[in-house]
Amino acid sequence: EAGVTQFPSHSVIEKGQTVTLRCDPISGHDNLYWYRRVMGKEIKFLLHFVKESKQDESGMPNNRFLAERTGGTYSTLKVQPAELEDSGVYFCASSHFRGARETQYFGPGTRLLVL
Amino acid sequence: ILNVEQSPQSLHVQEGDSTNFTCSFPSSNFYALHWYRWETAKSPEALFVMTLNGDEKKKGRISATLNTKEGYSYLYIKGSQPEDSATYLCAFKGGGADGLTFGKGTHLIIQP
Repeated sequence: EAGVTQFPSHSVIEKGQTVTLRCDPISGHDNLYWYRRVMGKEIKFLLHFVKESKQDESGMPNNRFLAERTGGTYSTLKVQPAELEDSGVYFCASSHFRGARETQYFGPGTRLLVL
Repeated sequence: ILNVEQSPQSLHVQEGDSTNFTCSFPSSNFYALHWYRWETAKSPEALFVMTLNGDEKKKGRISATLNTKEGYSYLYIKGSQPEDSATYLCAFKGGGADGLTFGKGTHLIIQP
């Protein structure tokens, strides 16, 4: 079974540009999460989809970030316009069911550098 | 604001030695505690999900314990091998929360 995949693996852009990150969850997983790790800090939760619906987007930093999951399959996270402080590793995770014993399976992340 | 602390921040261990490190988390509104193993440029790998006070989990040479009343979990590695070198992350989930709250991790280096 294929794991969570993310594209691209790396992205280097200039301040003010737009970047779109993609996440393909494990097939059949309704829950999809986005997280971000800024260098030197802990991984932080951004938002959670159940199928195509945003369940919790309390971690989104500001309105420059837009996440979508049309059709309830893959998800995109767009940053527009990018700022220097957006640099970091963006992780996606998916899970099959909610509950105390839920395991979130992580992708390898997209490393974003904003210059 | 939830606080998840991991100690030590980094650790050098001789191959063959056993080691352990700590994760502390809020003792109220506990739902689950996760441990992940993460090698840079790879996906964080789920090790354990622990939910009950007193839980003990084991996977090969790695084991973990959980104390929800005092808010800590220990991860143990027995007979460390070079392939155990990685960052070990713990993540707390509170009741009603969607996402995980991570600690900064313990960076483990096994020296041959």
